[in-house]
Amino acid sequence: TAGITQAPTSQILAAGRSMTLRCTQDMRHNAMYWYRQDLGLGLRLIHYSNTAGTTGKGEVPDGYSVSRANTDDFPLTLASAVPSQTSVYFCASSGQGTSNEQFFGPGTRLTVL
Amino acid sequence: GQNIDQPTEMTATEGAIVQINCTYQTSGFNGLFWYQQHAGEAPTFLSYNVLDGLEEKGRFSSFLSRSKGYSYLLLKELQMKDSASYLCAVKDSNYQLIWGAGTKLIIKP
Repeated sequence: TAGITQAPTSQILAAGRSMTLRCTQDMRHNAMYWYRQDLGLGLRLIHYSNTAGTTGKGEVPDGYSVSRANTDDFPLTLASAVPSQTSVYFCASSGQGTSNEQFFGPGTRLTVL
Repeated sequence: GQNIDQPTEMTATEGAIVQINCTYQTSGFNGLFWYQQHAGEAPTFLSYNVLDGLEEKGRFSSFLSRSKGYSYLLLKELQMKDSASYLCAVKDSNYQLIWGAGTKLIIKP
């Protein structure tokens, strides 16, 4: 079982360029999330989707956009990258229910120069 | 504001017991989660507490006191593979997870 996959594994991006980070899950989870993880800080929620067709803003949404056309895919787009978006990005998904844990993808390490 | 506090780093000896504390102040409470994250890897789920008390799962146990806004993760019979960061997260009134910065646990032989 693949679980959650993310692509690419890592990327170096010039400032001002756009990029889409891909995330796919095969667990038929309704909810999906994008986080960034920076040294010394907790995981911070960028955007989330509770079900296909809906999205919501998290704690740090500026400079990022998402879409949820179907259950499995939840891409994250940086329209015009800036160096402060250098981070490790994790996609996660969870099933219904308050106690359901989130399952994480392997992460994408992004460097914006 | 919402806040999750954990020690930044702890050191323990192989075979010993270690307790990692987490205190929280959040808007609402819908459960507390502990995750393990090895360096360069994704977080993986360890435990979930929503009621006060102790939840035991093998070598790992997690405790919750909602009135004190406090939890701890207890790791027994430490092994070298337990060297990792341990993340505390609280599900708030919007059912979103608020994460602590994590505690890096170093195990020495």
